[in-house]
Amino acid sequence: DAGITQSPRHKVTETGTPVTLRCHQTENHRYMYWYRQDPGHGLRLIHYSYGVKDTDKGEVSDGYSVSRSKTEDFLLTLESATSSQTSVYFCAISGISRGQETQYFGPGTRLLVL
Amino acid sequence: RKEVEQDPGPFNVPEGATVAFNCTYSNSASQSFFWYRQDCRKEPKLLMSVYSSGNEDGRFTAQLNRASQYISLLIRDSKLSDSATYLCVVNIRTGGGNKLTFGTGTQLKVEL
Repeated sequence: DAGITQSPRHKVTETGTPVTLRCHQTENHRYMYWYRQDPGHGLRLIHYSYGVKDTDKGEVSDGYSVSRSKTEDFLLTLESATSSQTSVYFCAISGISRGQETQYFGPGTRLLVL
Repeated sequence: RKEVEQDPGPFNVPEGATVAFNCTYSNSASQSFFWYRQDCRKEPKLLMSVYSSGNEDGRFTAQLNRASQYISLLIRDSKLSDSATYLCVVNIRTGGGNKLTFGTGTQLKVEL
């Protein structure tokens, strides 16, 4: 296991409410990522971080913000949740497999926005 | 055109069969390649890297054709436990670390 946890694992919320998802790693990796996975779209990158307080946007960043105040924690915030943000959210960290850099995923958070 | 394209399946095969999945990618700057496996309602897990020379890991063989921008995964002697969705993944190294692009996955169902 890559030492990544996500919380909460499931959440139901209402449109317009703020939601924060947490990703925690014990591997001391510099790079962390947030993805969403939806049927027909595969995994899409929302935001990523390359160090404490260093973050950048991915391909589907609208409506999301992130923060990284410690190496081990990467937070994803939906400022005002919408039904289109109903999805499964995965956090990932970079790692090396047989000399190639790739990513390892947390268990995911299932979010339902009503 | 999607950056990584896969046949969604499902591929329904009997136990013991050999099955092959294909994947094409559009960005010729892609530098490394992977197959991930994703079980229902679980996170994707790295199955194997894909090298230009081809590589094998037990019953699994991966091939890469850079000229055709084509990746394949062959599973021999399928087991019930191989039932999952297989994601084709390409990596482009950028200033922001490695950028992985995922296919939507090919679903495999191995039956008795």
